Amino acid sequence: GQNIDQPTEMTATEGAIVQINCTYQTSGFNGLFWYQQHAGEAPTFLSYNVLDGLEEKGRFSSFLSRSKGYSYLLLKELQMKDSASYLCAVHPPDNRKLIWGLGTSLAVNP
Amino acid sequence: NAGVTQTPKFRVLKTGQSMTLLCAQDMNHEYMYWYRQDPGMGLRLIHYSVGEGTTAKGEVPDGYNVSRLKKQNFLLGLESAAPSQTSVYFCASSSAGGSYNEQFFGPGTRLTVL
Repeated sequence: GQNIDQPTEMTATEGAIVQINCTYQTSGFNGLFWYQQHAGEAPTFLSYNVLDGLEEKGRFSSFLSRSKGYSYLLLKELQMKDSASYLCAVHPPDNRKLIWGLGTSLAVNP
Repeated sequence: NAGVTQTPKFRVLKTGQSMTLLCAQDMNHEYMYWYRQDPGMGLRLIHYSVGEGTTAKGEVPDGYNVSRLKKQNFLLGLESAAPSQTSVYFCASSSAGGSYNEQFFGPGTRLTVL
């Protein structure tokens, strides 16, 4: 079966660090995406991990452990504009369709 | 480049009415997708296309039809709208080659069926 788990909601404080976890059980794995979606808007690409380890892009980093079926998105120096949903999606070997998690709604408070 | 565009942005239908949602992309992408997004349900794939003239069913295809007569356009049709089809519809596209084929999304169509 195909299953992706993310926490439904998280809350954090402006300036802090937050880690959003994603665990997956899928039949086949090519890589893992993170997307950001602000309320009322379309999802936008944040990162893609195919190898184990940490990929850093400014304030955002994404980590992958293929053996554990686990990824996290790390957001540093949180800003109010980071309040959004964060979607985890697995890229399967057939290369055509993504398997999406339900998303984590992050609220950043002053 | 406009990227991925969708028309219309908003629409209200009565039960039983039909409509077509249009998606256009100017990135020469081979793959195109139609999703619906409902609260608590995440993104669910309705239909997708891997090239001009081809379409395939996704996770929730019932009640919808699609056509890809031109590479840049992907149409989603509702033949007889039902209240259960009230949703936000997103179109996306991606290339077939490259290392990871990121999906690019349109701005969405907010559909209400009364």
